[in-house]
Amino acid sequence: GAGVSQSPSNKVTEKGKDVELRCDPISGHTALYWYRQSLGQGLEFLIYFQGNSAPDKSGLPSDRFSAERTGGSVSTLTIQRTQQEDSAVYLCASSLQGMNTGELFFGEGSRLTVL
Amino acid sequence: SQKIEQNSEALNIQEGKTATLTCNYTNYSPAYLQWYRQDPGRGPVFLLLIRENEKEKRKERLKVTFDTTLKQSLFHITASQPADSATYLCALDRGSTLGRLYFGRGTQLTVWP
Repeated sequence: GAGVSQSPSNKVTEKGKDVELRCDPISGHTALYWYRQSLGQGLEFLIYFQGNSAPDKSGLPSDRFSAERTGGSVSTLTIQRTQQEDSAVYLCASSLQGMNTGELFFGEGSRLTVL
Repeated sequence: SQKIEQNSEALNIQEGKTATLTCNYTNYSPAYLQWYRQDPGRGPVFLLLIRENEKEKRKERLKVTFDTTLKQSLFHITASQPADSATYLCALDRGSTLGRLYFGRGTQLTVWP
């Protein structure tokens, strides 16, 4: 596609349920990032992929959070046993590494609400 | 870790005036600094990048300055328009082409007619 695609755009779940958020980056972009944005807050870094490996996963808030990337393309962010504090907009971004620009292309985000 | 501060959460100016937004950082100096625009319910959109060895960068009505001594970047929008109303985020790296970008909380700009 022309841009970064995220799904679902909205997800409402009950506390304790697992959720999966999907990100389809721009074709050819080797770097992929997940950020979280809570209401009125800045973007909180979660994890970074270069190809299929994650050299920096230090932003994942707990072991309930995990992410994978397959085929150097699609990435899935999984949150297990969701808690109310997990409610936020989860943003995915991709970039073309090697250009030394670092410009990130963001998707529109997945808004997660945990009841 | 890097700490980023953006001036006042909200800035209100009249159409036609120049908006100036500030981004201050602590600790290490980044290799480059970026500015993004974010509209409500949308993902951030890249606007400008300025490198540590550049003092100023321009793009149409936008101008960014970078002072590594003051550890500060200024973002200017000249001849502002109501359509410029949005939240503006600054972001900087750790001095590497790889890895995370640290984002500030943003400044919400409102341009009134």
